[in-house]
Amino acid sequence: GENVEQHPSTLSVQEGDSAVIKCTYSDSASNYFPWYKQELGKRPQLIIDIRSNVGEKKDQRIAVTLNKTAKHFSLHITETQPEDSAVYFCAARPGTQFYFGTGTSLTVIP
Amino acid sequence: NAGVTQTPKFQVLKTGQSMTLQCAQDMNHNSMYWYRQDPGMGLRLIYYSASEGTTDKGEVPNGYNVSRLNKREFSLRLESAAPSQTSVYFCASSDPALQGAWGYTFGSGTRLTVV
Repeated sequence: GENVEQHPSTLSVQEGDSAVIKCTYSDSASNYFPWYKQELGKRPQLIIDIRSNVGEKKDQRIAVTLNKTAKHFSLHITETQPEDSAVYFCAARPGTQFYFGTGTSLTVIP
Repeated sequence: NAGVTQTPKFQVLKTGQSMTLQCAQDMNHNSMYWYRQDPGMGLRLIYYSASEGTTDKGEVPNGYNVSRLNKREFSLRLESAAPSQTSVYFCASSDPALQGAWGYTFGSGTRLTVV
């Protein structure tokens, strides 16, 4: 089955700086790559996604890039704010189900 | 539009007791999933139902059973709870055939403690 690895596991940045979280996947059949944000005690929520026929997608301060050849994709958050502090999960979907990375705990220091 | 509704939100069980976690979605999604979330281990798939009438094992199915009651409802049953099943459980739904529904919508979670 699919194996998704996510790095780093923890990340601290100063407010206003950028944050980058990277994931790799193993199954070339994966064609959809969502990112989820989970605040403490809450449910994961989809923040951005990308399909395999697209190399980059942006939504305001958030962007995702995909390199199908290298089988990796990344989340970029610019101009970070304290409310960006959360755990972020990447995922890949080769079929019906998703495979998740183990999460990155992002702390934005005011 | 409630999305995905899970009940209960909290539960404490004694070892050996049984219980059923309920999940319902009102988005007409075909696929539904049950995950458990443990510290440092991310989200692990217990069971899923790709469509009404089908269920399949995920990564960690032992000790659990599921029922896809109809298109809306997907329940998770613990027949004889064990302390190792202490976790936060999330139900989710999606539908690759529906525009905008490729990604999961999660329920609010059930925090289960087995003592």
